[in-house]
Amino acid sequence: DGGITQSPKYLFRKEGQNVTLSCEQNLNHDAMYWYRQDPGQGLRLIYYSQIVNDFQKGDIAEGYSVSREKKESFPLTVTSAQKNPTAFYLCASSSWGYTDTQYFGPGTRLTVL
Amino acid sequence: EDKVVQSPLSLVVHEGDTVTLNCSYEVTNFRSLLWYKQEKKAPTFLFMLTSSGIEKKSGRLSSILDKKELSSILNITATQTGDSAIYLCAVTGTASKLTFGTGTRLQVTL
Repeated sequence: DGGITQSPKYLFRKEGQNVTLSCEQNLNHDAMYWYRQDPGQGLRLIYYSQIVNDFQKGDIAEGYSVSREKKESFPLTVTSAQKNPTAFYLCASSSWGYTDTQYFGPGTRLTVL
Repeated sequence: EDKVVQSPLSLVVHEGDTVTLNCSYEVTNFRSLLWYKQEKKAPTFLFMLTSSGIEKKSGRLSSILDKKELSSILNITATQTGDSAIYLCAVTGTASKLTFGTGTRLQVTL
């Protein structure tokens, strides 16, 4: 079954802790993306990667970090520097330069206690 | 900075009604406009519209791109309760990344 998986589904974090959200795809897509969704605000781009070992900041990268060591994996770390981390996080992928259509994973809901 | 504005923000209709959702955009070197449907979790892709494909239709859903007015509409005819969702519009430009609007929340009641 081809698709994008994200884990965990729900994540609770204490203030001051770093957490890492997982995103894996088996669609053989070159590009991967991380978005944050807050109520009434649509999706905002955090980071994206067009190719392995390369990534670019999106519109709201502060307090986040990513890595892209493998084509199929694009983990996102929410650091303690992120002031308002409680949100719904969505990972997506696409065939870069071939089509603009992005396909989304099921999301991770992060709550800071 | 690329910008997408959707209207209305929310809408409640009765089953069987026809609805029209609006999306207007400002983007440098427009490439494409995409519509997604988001129910509880992941947005699912509906349509992509480009300069070479300004009209798309799938069942009861259809969409048109107006490049002159920098806007698009998404029409849903004979609405059903299963159409209740947030409908997201997004555009790509020079940077080849999607810029999303805030979405229109549609509720279809019996």
